[in-house]
Amino acid sequence: EAGVTQFPSHSVIEKGQTVTLRCDPISGHDNLYWYRRVMGKEIKFLLHFVKESKQDESGMPNNRFLAERTGGTYSTLKVQPAELEDSGVYFCASSHLGGTAETQYFGPGTRLLVL
Amino acid sequence: KQEVTQIPAALSVPEGENLVLNCSFTDSAIYNLQWFRQDPGKGLTSLLLIQSSQREQTSGRLNASLDKSSGRSTLYIAASQPGDSATYLCAVYTNSGYALNFGKGTSLLVTP
Repeated sequence: EAGVTQFPSHSVIEKGQTVTLRCDPISGHDNLYWYRRVMGKEIKFLLHFVKESKQDESGMPNNRFLAERTGGTYSTLKVQPAELEDSGVYFCASSHLGGTAETQYFGPGTRLLVL
Repeated sequence: KQEVTQIPAALSVPEGENLVLNCSFTDSAIYNLQWFRQDPGKGLTSLLLIQSSQREQTSGRLNASLDKSSGRSTLYIAASQPGDSATYLCAVYTNSGYALNFGKGTSLLVTP
């Protein structure tokens, strides 16, 4: 069974540009999460989808970040325009039922560097 | 606001030693606690998940304990091996139930 995949693995862009990150969850997992780790800080929650609906987006830093999950399959996270402080590793995770008894399965992350 | 702290930030031990990684959290109203492992350039791999009603979980050479009242968890690794070298992350579920709150991790190096 394929795990959570993320694309691209690395992205280097200039300040002001737009970047779109993609996450493909494990097949059949209705719950999809985005997290971010900036340098020197802990991994922080961004948002949670249940199928195509945003269940919790309390961790989204500002309106330059837009997450979508059309059709309830893969998800994209767009940063527009990117700022220097957006640099970090963006992780995607998925789970089947979303309950607290269930682990979240993480992808390898996308390493974003904004210059 | 839940804050998760991991001590030590880094640890280097010779192969064969038993070791303990510590995790503390400020809000004891958690649903569960997970320990993850992250290898360089890779994603997070779940090692153990402890429900709030449980005291410990074991998997092979790993044993994780949970003391909700004191806001602490420990990950015990027995007979450490060089392959155990990685960053170990502790995470708790917030009372919203779905967002994980992570510590910064403990970077472990096991030398041959």
